[in-house]
Amino acid sequence: GNSVTQMEGPVTLSEEAFLTINCTYTATGYPSLFWYVQYPGEGLQLLLKATKADDKGSNKGFEATYRKETTSFHLEKGSVQVSDSAVYFCALRSGTSYGKLTFGQGTILTVHP
Amino acid sequence: DGGITQSPKYLFRKEGQNVTLSCEQNLNHDAMYWYRQDPGQGLRLIYYSQIVNDFQKGDIAEGYSVSREKKESFPLTVTSAQKNPTAFYLCASSIGDSLQETQYFGPGTRLLVL
Repeated sequence: GNSVTQMEGPVTLSEEAFLTINCTYTATGYPSLFWYVQYPGEGLQLLLKATKADDKGSNKGFEATYRKETTSFHLEKGSVQVSDSAVYFCALRSGTSYGKLTFGQGTILTVHP
Repeated sequence: DGGITQSPKYLFRKEGQNVTLSCEQNLNHDAMYWYRQDPGQGLRLIYYSQIVNDFQKGDIAEGYSVSREKKESFPLTVTSAQKNPTAFYLCASSIGDSLQETQYFGPGTRLLVL
């Protein structure tokens, strides 16, 4: 079946530090990959997505590249801000999963001034 | 403004009681979904609907029921058969159900058992 594995958290960084959150997946076929962000007490917001191998998704300074050879979709940002503090979820949709998103367990990011 | 609304924000359930969570969207999306989020975990799919008057069970449908009588609305009922209902419930929608479609999420309803 499909699965998503994210790096263990929580992650604590100082403002302007470089961020990497690792995400690897197992899926049948060629899935689409997503990063969602959740702020405290809120729903999920799409951060970025990639729908085929070697695609790079980007938004608000965040980037992730769909690497089929390593089945990975790592999230990066060059300089984090306090406002980036949130929970980040990696997710996938595959053709065999009737449209559902399969999520990783989430990574808590805290950025200090 | 287009979006997804969920109500109420907090809901309390007594033992043996059925409760219904509301989800409304004005995005003209065909597909709608219900997910459950437990602390420290990712989301799990409860039910989904690709079109009006049709819905399918997800991975954890036991103890839940849904209806899809209107395109804009996809209410979820948590029945007394759901023995561990305390969780954060998220509704989502997408234009269609293809692989590349983005799912957009509502703000969620937190259900607590008294």
